[in-house]
Amino acid sequence: KNQVEQSPQSLIILEGKNCTLQCNYTVSPFSNLRWYKQDTGRGPVSLTIMTFSENTKSNGRYTATLDADTKQSSLHITASQLSDSASYICVVTSSGDSWGKLQFGAGTQVVVTP
Amino acid sequence: SQTIHQWPATLVQPVGSPLSLECTVEGTSNPNLYWYRQAAGRGLQLLFYSVGIGQISSEVPQNLSASRPQDRQFILSSKKLLLSDSGFYLCAWSVFNPQNTGELFFGEGSRLTVL
Repeated sequence: KNQVEQSPQSLIILEGKNCTLQCNYTVSPFSNLRWYKQDTGRGPVSLTIMTFSENTKSNGRYTATLDADTKQSSLHITASQLSDSASYICVVTSSGDSWGKLQFGAGTQVVVTP
Repeated sequence: SQTIHQWPATLVQPVGSPLSLECTVEGTSNPNLYWYRQAAGRGLQLLFYSVGIGQISSEVPQNLSASRPQDRQFILSSKKLLLSDSGFYLCAWSVFNPQNTGELFFGEGSRLTVL
């Protein structure tokens, strides 16, 4: 069973609107959580990384939150733009794992329409 | 600044043919290197990782192999491709730190179609 579950699987939003993506994980012990943006046919690019003690982190119009108690994270996109159309991937690292064993979510496909 | 190059970007190969995907990193020394495969609707699957020249760890049994002939070069190979090898392959690198808070940098990916 995947230890990182993302929802929704996909969503369509109008340009200028806000949206929130969810990530639930069971990875333990927890080390950090990252959000990546992946444009179609390209490699993922990091948006944010949060450790256990961080609740919120922003990167421009992207704001990530983390609740380590409930093992949930969200990525909020404000005032969406057409360039935000991409897959957003949640990645969780366990402090007990070797560096190579990151747990990847399947991603949320976001489509921003004019 | 560091950059990662991966090629070819797209590849169409017949079943049973060999494969070679190459990845190089510039601007850093002794990086950790990774090969991932991404299937549609699935999370990235780690195939191989390397912490140094000639040091390769495999995560899943498969039809593929990896080699690291130089510090910043990582090669993914197969002697005979299967239909199931089709997918999007991503090379990545990182600088290790004990807290696992370092960044993972991905290449642009290689789309492999096996016919």
